[in-house]
Amino acid sequence: SQQGEEDPQALSIQEGENATMNCSYKTSINNLQWYRQNSGRGLVHLILIRSNEREKHSGRLRVTLDTSKKSSSLLITASRAADTASYFCATDAWSQGAQKLVFGQGTRLTINP
Amino acid sequence: GAGVSQTPSNKVTEKGKYVELRCDPISGHTALYWYRQSLGQGPEFLIYFQGTGAADDSGLPNDRFFAVRPEGSVSTLKIQRTERGDSAVYLCASSPLAGDTDTQYFGPGTRLTVL
Repeated sequence: SQQGEEDPQALSIQEGENATMNCSYKTSINNLQWYRQNSGRGLVHLILIRSNEREKHSGRLRVTLDTSKKSSSLLITASRAADTASYFCATDAWSQGAQKLVFGQGTRLTINP
Repeated sequence: GAGVSQTPSNKVTEKGKYVELRCDPISGHTALYWYRQSLGQGPEFLIYFQGTGAADDSGLPNDRFFAVRPEGSVSTLKIQRTERGDSAVYLCASSPLAGDTDTQYFGPGTRLTVL
């Protein structure tokens, strides 16, 4: 079952604009991760934010986490055509000593040249 | 070095047939995960291996699904008596250890189509 939901489900913006995607989840977490997926195939890890962190940056990416609201946001600044992809948030669910990931449904981002 | 590889990249089969999907993790990675992704959805956990043993198979949908990792490296996901509902992209991921900071590295997936 899916842990949470991404919002919006689809987003289309012009190149150079900023893109913001939101993720909500249901249970307590240790960390939350964001992944990118091109053309419905392999996922690429973007950034991990721990439950005791509120904000994290990596290049043009900025992630925030609000554990009281059980939500996170991913901001991509100065978007490029190459950023076109689906973006997923994933929370950790610990079982048998392993961190299995629980993904949302994703946001499909389209950057128009 | 090489990333996670999966073969075949695409598999088309008929309802009722048996299929095997292979995953080669990154060398030295102890933990291996299988996920399934249906169209328009996020990946869903199937099974996790720590070394050779399946530590958590709670995500396998039913007893038609089985996975092995006999030597602690390559893993094979096996699906018996395939059904149309099994059509999806099957993703494999590996990580060095099952730790809380270990990123899972995903392979390109196998797209399974059951006709």
